[in-house]
Amino acid sequence: QITLKESGPTLVKPTQTLTLTCTFSGFSLSTSGVGVGWIRQPPGKALEWLALIYWNDDKRYSPSLKSRLTITKDTSKNQVVLTMTNMDPVDTATYYCAHALGGSGSRYYFDYWGQGTLVTVSS
Amino acid sequence: AIRMTQSPSSFSASTGDRVTITCRASQGISSYLAWYQQKPGKAPKLLIYAASTLQSGVPSRFSGSGSGTDFTLTISCLQSEDFATYYCQQYYSYPPRYTFGQGTKLEIK
Repeated sequence: QITLKESGPTLVKPTQTLTLTCTFSGFSLSTSGVGVGWIRQPPGKALEWLALIYWNDDKRYSPSLKSRLTITKDTSKNQVVLTMTNMDPVDTATYYCAHALGGSGSRYYFDYWGQGTLVTVSS
Repeated sequence: AIRMTQSPSSFSASTGDRVTITCRASQGISSYLAWYQQKPGKAPKLLIYAASTLQSGVPSRFSGSGSGTDFTLTISCLQSEDFATYYCQQYYSYPPRYTFGQGTKLEIK
């Protein structure tokens, strides 16, 4: 049974750095064809993909946020960490991590999601 | 970036109805399309991947079709638990630049 859970601060101030941790079980991030991604959703708005880390430690980022994002994994702890620098009120959103499964051509879709964590950016 | 456009943005239907939601990609994405269901306060749930493959455990009243730029999600006989918001997502781009549609909110008539 695959489960994921996000953790981190619920409130951050503008210009601060956000660090979120995704702790998962039921799979190994060293297994070929597996990844973990981060997706966010501002209140009442659509989903936005942020980053993806693959089983082989390859990392990919949304082009519009690439300069602010870092994704890392700790396979021994079954954790993936996302950091986002220079937070702004427009970054207020629910942040989800998700298990990603790779098909042909290294194209991954998200089949299991964490419950999400709401992060508010305000002074 | 590939833009995903869903239609309609919202609509009302009754239990037992057959409903179809459309998703259009701004360029061809082959069959690299997923559909998700999201209920208020909950995480998205994968319904369909590869445009038409039903995720394990998802009821067979859900089906997907299409390839290239035009896709549809059909619910053959609406149940009360199906009233939710539905999103399409392309995962064709490589390096990945995954994009979601704006969502379709399905409400009870």
